[in-house]
Amino acid sequence: SAVISQKPSRDICQRGTSLTIQCQVDSQVTMMFWYRQQPGQSLTLIATANQGSEATYESGFVIDKFPISRPNLTFSTLTVSNMSPEDSSIYLCSIRAGVGNTGELFFGEGSRLTVL
Amino acid sequence: EDQVTQSPEALRLQEGESSSLNCSYTVSGLRGLFWYRQDPGKGPEFLFTLYSAGEEKEKERLKATLTKKESFLHITAPKPEDSATYLCAVQGAGTASKLTFGTGTRLQVTL
Repeated sequence: SAVISQKPSRDICQRGTSLTIQCQVDSQVTMMFWYRQQPGQSLTLIATANQGSEATYESGFVIDKFPISRPNLTFSTLTVSNMSPEDSSIYLCSIRAGVGNTGELFFGEGSRLTVL
Repeated sequence: EDQVTQSPEALRLQEGESSSLNCSYTVSGLRGLFWYRQDPGKGPEFLFTLYSAGEEKEKERLKATLTKKESFLHITAPKPEDSATYLCAVQGAGTASKLTFGTGTRLQVTL
């Protein structure tokens, strides 16, 4: 399976600042997904990032708060903007290994953000 | 809207004490049900995909089964290294490529 690398693995941030999380995959993939895992809660999809087009955001998530870039088929970034303590969470990058829209996802190790 | 409920929230077993974790789901047109293992501070690790009722998959001490309403993850003679949070997720026909996750079962296996 593909190797998915995320940076940073963890960070402590001040309220009102922004942080960009990077996701690098060792093979080309069509779709990349960004999930959030808040303490004690399930994984929630933030958005789907396709190369060459705007990201598709889930209900409750907006581009101004979570801008996403997808410059090529192996890389994506997620920015958490104007952070508040409620944004303290684990942010996970994931890919679907096969072609098409069906099948299991594979995840990076996650980026744990703490907002003070 | 797809929904996934996992039970119990937490489970403590002694080494060798077999048990089952439950994943109940509602989905419009199941495309797949997925089990993951997540260790503290790590991303979820893929275990199994089940596509239709009656299907079973096995890996070492783990066996996943599927009915039309729920899935079970059976753990036979667990060892301390099986301690982790086990996540269940579904993909429905109406939700494009999205997976909907449950909150997980936190399993602790003691000596």
